[in-house]
Amino acid sequence: DVKVTQSSRYLVKRTGEKVFLECVQDMDHENMFWYRQDPGLGLRLIYFSYDVKMKEKGDIPEGYSVSREKKERFSLILESASTNQTSMYLCASSLAGEVPEQYFGPGTRLTVT
Amino acid sequence: SQQGEEDPQALSIQEGENATMNCSYKTSINNLQWYRQNSGRGLVHLILIRSNEREKHSGRLRVTLDTSKKSSSLLITASRAADTASYFCATVPTLSGSARQLTFGSGTQLTVLP
Repeated sequence: DVKVTQSSRYLVKRTGEKVFLECVQDMDHENMFWYRQDPGLGLRLIYFSYDVKMKEKGDIPEGYSVSREKKERFSLILESASTNQTSMYLCASSLAGEVPEQYFGPGTRLTVT
Repeated sequence: SQQGEEDPQALSIQEGENATMNCSYKTSINNLQWYRQNSGRGLVHLILIRSNEREKHSGRLRVTLDTSKKSSSLLITASRAADTASYFCATVPTLSGSARQLTFGSGTQLTVLP
């Protein structure tokens, strides 16, 4: 079975802190994704990566950056956390190709105070 | 931007009844997928239907796709309390800049009462 793990289930940070969210997948997937999920808004794509050191902006990249130094690991970075970044963050991975069924991690609920 | 919109936003049924959720989308798609999310957890892929397919089954799940109406439905038959979750449709637009991206709707919260 594909396993996608995220470094924390719950995280509380202060405004202005630099925050790292890590995601690891064990199925050698080419593609990895970061979403945030907010009530009534569904999932919104922040960034994704289709290869090591490659990244593409999603729908809401402002205030975020990402890093993919190894194929299995995709990090989301909040350079200076703000209260409007309080959310559930979900990581996902998928194989390359035209039909990208995605496998999700359990999520990190981040609270910025 | 949101491509799929689910309807209804919330649905409450008795165990054993069938549950139907609908998804509408705006642009041409390559495929449409349905996911389930249990409270506070990640999403789990349920079923994928391609644009050239009209109906697909998987266990108690039945998905239909009507590309002329840009809509899909997910039917869960003989529901169980364990089916209580949020259900999302996700689309892969044919004209998307990357075929790797999914666009999710805002979900239907299904509650199955014992």
